[in-house]
Amino acid sequence: DIQMTHSPSSLSASVGDRVTITCRASQFIGTYLNWYQQKPGKAPKLLIYAASSLQRGVPSRFSGSGSGTDFTLTISSLQPEDFATYFCQQSYSNPITFGQGTRLEIK
Amino acid sequence: QVQLVQSGAEVKEPGSSVKLSCKASGDTLNTYTITWVRQAPGQGLEWMGRIIPMLGIKNYTQKFQGRVSLTADKSTNTAYLELSSLRSDDTAVYYCARDTPAGSDAFDFWGQGTMVTVSS
Repeated sequence: DIQMTHSPSSLSASVGDRVTITCRASQFIGTYLNWYQQKPGKAPKLLIYAASSLQRGVPSRFSGSGSGTDFTLTISSLQPEDFATYFCQQSYSNPITFGQGTRLEIK
Repeated sequence: QVQLVQSGAEVKEPGSSVKLSCKASGDTLNTYTITWVRQAPGQGLEWMGRIIPMLGIKNYTQKFQGRVSLTADKSTNTAYLELSSLRSDDTAVYYCARDTPAGSDAFDFWGQGTMVTVSS
């Protein structure tokens, strides 16, 4: 199975900050990488698919980049509603696997 | 707008089975893949498998082989997950989700989740 590793596992930031979260795959996955946001008690929400494509309806302050094994999710200017947990997910091969998540907290 | 509505919370004894439902509206099951993902309390997301109702294709992660069964009833637009031989570590929220129309295993619509508690 492909292992997905987030760094950091948690992060404190302030409204207006630029934040970058990293996800590393244990083997090559091309651009088969998706990002989700999850708030407590809610289902995940798709933010970015295919490493860098913004899902319809997601604010443009979210962006994704990377290929191969290293990927980043960037939030250009944090808003209060962005404090949540973020997960990466590889769709390169079965079984589909998710990272353990990065928890973004208010400083 | 696609909507996935899941069945209510379940409390089960160890060794029993549970069958969860996921009813789709706004589109038919025939047009996409349904994936099941679970999340144990305070933990990450774990993919369990997928079903492509139009093709009758089912894939399961090896961890659940033999214990999980995915089915779909196209007449009621409902997908089902059945998990048998339940253990305490099966306690989790179970989500169904739709694959995007591109079929790329990115999940754009999710059910609200069903909490399954396994306890004696």
